[in-house]
Formats: sequence, structure tokens, C-alpha cells
Amino acid sequence: GQQLNQSPQSMFIQEGEDVSMNCTSSSIFNTWLWYKQEPGEGPVLLIALYKAGELTSNGRLTAQFGITRKDSFLNISASIPSDVGIYFCAGPDSGAGSYQLTFGKGTKLSVIP
Amino acid sequence: DSGVTQTPKHLITATGQRVTLRCSPRSGDLSVYWYQQSLDQGLQFLIQYYNGEERAKGNILERFSAQQFPDLHSELNLSSLELGDSALYFCASSVATYRWGVWSYNEQFFGPGTRLTVL
Repeated sequence: GQQLNQSPQSMFIQEGEDVSMNCTSSSIFNTWLWYKQEPGEGPVLLIALYKAGELTSNGRLTAQFGITRKDSFLNISASIPSDVGIYFCAGPDSGAGSYQLTFGKGTKLSVIP
Repeated sequence: DSGVTQTPKHLITATGQRVTLRCSPRSGDLSVYWYQQSLDQGLQFLIQYYNGEERAKGNILERFSAQQFPDLHSELNLSSLELGDSALYFCASSVATYRWGVWSYNEQFFGPGTRLTVL
């Protein structure tokens, strides 16, 4: 099946720093989704990307759909303590009317005040 | 708050038992998805229902089953529980979105999850 590889697995940054993380796949995706999960909570959808090369922002978050359609990037500018959590990329298996999502293993972000 | 509700929040049971997890999708969403999240396997798709009908199956064990009722709420039934079934179980729902000339149900909104502990 499809696999998504996220890097880095974890990162510790100072408050105020910018953050970059990425997600790669061995197969082409038509959609990339980025989710954030905080402890004890369900994943929260941050950004959805639908077109190769698309660059979309949500506040301090910016995500890009790679032009090869096999990767995506998420950047967080001027990090704050509430950015702590696990960030997941996901892509749908759109075969036969299903939109089941394949998730990466996540990037765990820690912000040092 | 995603609008997706799940009950119970926590469930502790013994091996061999059977439990039922309940999910109510966002108002108007016809699709319901169930996912399992464990430390070693990450988030894994289990099964999808659309308007009461099973649409897709993922890595769902035969001991697990689900259904979606006419009011669109869904239940995930886990039977003959084993220690390895301990995990977070999430329900998600989606609605059609139109972007770049294409309709899709890709944007899924997750509930708060049920944490299942099998002792």
C-alpha cells in the first residue's frame, strides 16, 4: 500500500523560530492534507492541498504541494508554545469511491519558551 | 470542536470481552471513517461507511465490525478483545468539497477518540 515518510521525526525549537517539515511518498498523491494532534485529542485538519505547486496558508502555517506530486512541505513561522503537538501529513486513496487516508508517522514538535 | 462526537472517552475492559464504540458525524456529513491509532502502527484506516453502506475496508480484523444507522451515527464493535487491541479509536466524517474543479471527500474531521485499554 501507499506509505508516507515524514521528517524529521521530532524537533525541539526555541519560541519564535521558524519550523519546516516534509512528507514524501513513493507514489503520486492528488491531495495532501496536514493535521495537528495534541495529547488526548483527535487530529485537527490544518491545510488541504489539491494541486501540484499549490501554496496555501493558514495563519502562521504555510503548506506546499510538491510539483512531483510525491511530496509536501509544512512551514510554521514564529513558533509559539501552543504549536506543540504532532503534525501528520496524509493523503487519500481515492480508488473505488473511497477516500480513506494514509497517514505519515508524524513530526513531534516541542517548543522551548 | 470538530463537530464529530464519540463515546465513551475511555473504556477499560478485559481480554475476551466485546465493546461498542459510538460516533456521531458532523451535521450533514454522510461519510464516516474509523481509524485505529497505536504507538507502533500509527493511524490506520479501518473502515468507511457512506449513507449507511459500507464503502471501503482497510486493515480491519475479522473480530471487528461496524455499521452506520439511518440517522448516520456509526458504531464500531470489537469482540474477543486481545491485549494488542488497546489503542485510540477515532471516527471521522467528511463532506464533499469543490476545489480546482474537482469534487472530493478528502477533508476529514476527526472526533476526540475513544481510548480502549484491554487488561
